[in-house]
Amino acid sequence: EAQVTQNPRYLITVTGKKLTVTCSQNMNHEYMSWYRQDPGLGLRQIYYSMNVEVTDKGDVPEGYKVSRKEKRNFPLILESPSPNQTSLYFCASSRAGANEKLFFGSGTQLSVL
Amino acid sequence: AQTVTQSQPEMSVQEAETVTLSCTYDTSESDYYLFWYKQPPSRQMILVIRQEAYKQQNATENRFSVNFQKAAKSFSLKISDSQLGDAAMYFCAYRSAFNTNAGKSTFGDGTTLTVKP
Repeated sequence: EAQVTQNPRYLITVTGKKLTVTCSQNMNHEYMSWYRQDPGLGLRQIYYSMNVEVTDKGDVPEGYKVSRKEKRNFPLILESPSPNQTSLYFCASSRAGANEKLFFGSGTQLSVL
Repeated sequence: AQTVTQSQPEMSVQEAETVTLSCTYDTSESDYYLFWYKQPPSRQMILVIRQEAYKQQNATENRFSVNFQKAAKSFSLKISDSQLGDAAMYFCAYRSAFNTNAGKSTFGDGTTLTVKP
């Protein structure tokens, strides 16, 4: 089954404790992206990757890191999480081409205490 | 930078009726793509419909259609014969067609649609 798999679905952590949210897709998509969803703010793009080893900042990259060493994986790293990073995070992927639809993961609800 | 505005935080519709969700955007680009995504309570984001800016014909997918007004930078979603399963948050989204910006996507704040039986 074609899917984008995010883990974990829920995570509670404390300020400053490094964490990684994993994202994997099995559709051989070139494009992958991370978003955060906050009430009243919609989805805001954090980082995206057009292909392996090619990443770029979205609108809200501060406090986040990404890497794309393999085509299927695109982890999101919070090296020193802060409470303002409490949010619902989504990973998405698509084939190359801006007209392609995004396939989303199920989301990761992160709480930073 | 592009912006996407959904001016209706909440909308409601009676089952079997028609409802229109509004979306406006701002861009200086001439070629781009517009999307509507649906997020039901399950949180799963699902593509509803997409529109290519260079196509004048409005996109249609079964009960879902758009009214795309390029000059007005408006991209509204019409849902006909509303069903209970249409209850969700709907997001309007923009992506540039130009390679230098094609990776960026901009979403609106969302409209929560309630369907009344």
